[in-house]
Amino acid sequence: AQSVTQLGSHVSVSEGALVLLRCNYSSSVPPYLFWYVQYPNQGLQLLLKYTSAATLVKGINGFEAEFKKSETSFHLTKPSAHMSDAAEYFCAVSDRGSWGKLQFGAGTQVVVTP
Amino acid sequence: EPEVTQTPSHQVTQMGQEVILRCVPISNHLYFYWYRQILGQKVEFLVSFYNNEISEKSEIFDDQFSVERPDGSNFTLKIRSTKLEDSAMYFCASRGGTNPTGELFFGEGSRLTVL
Repeated sequence: AQSVTQLGSHVSVSEGALVLLRCNYSSSVPPYLFWYVQYPNQGLQLLLKYTSAATLVKGINGFEAEFKKSETSFHLTKPSAHMSDAAEYFCAVSDRGSWGKLQFGAGTQVVVTP
Repeated sequence: EPEVTQTPSHQVTQMGQEVILRCVPISNHLYFYWYRQILGQKVEFLVSFYNNEISEKSEIFDDQFSVERPDGSNFTLKIRSTKLEDSAMYFCASRGGTNPTGELFFGEGSRLTVL
């Protein structure tokens, strides 16, 4: 079964600093990979997805993620954090035969300090 | 912008009671999902639904759970006899049918508290 591991349940970053959220997946076959964001009292919003095209995926709000098969990783980055980036971020994976059936990581809460 | 809406936003119920959580997916979407998140735990897949039948379900989705699309707009999750461990945030999601790798759109969730 697919699974994802997110390193760090809480990350604190200064405004303007690099945001780096780590995600590793376990699968013998490269799956579909996703990053979602959840703002307080809101639903999950897709930031970006990897579906086997370019390994560097650009998403909304200035985020991007790079798929590295050799490292089974899909880390999320943003060069310069903004106060509005404070939220919880979830990495997720799905099998290629089960689009929509997502396995989520535990989430990383991002705090942005002035 | 079209969105998935869920009601109620919060429901408190007694153990053993039946609960129905309602979702209105985006109008032209064809695939529907329920997920749940127990406090402090991961978001978990429950069930997917397409063409008026369940496509896939998880081990969590036992006989106490059922889903239905009673009309052209609503998608419901019923829990027949709630247990304490059913307390969670339940998320509905939908996606269109034209793109096989299309985005899932999630609602804001319904928080269920079982006492």
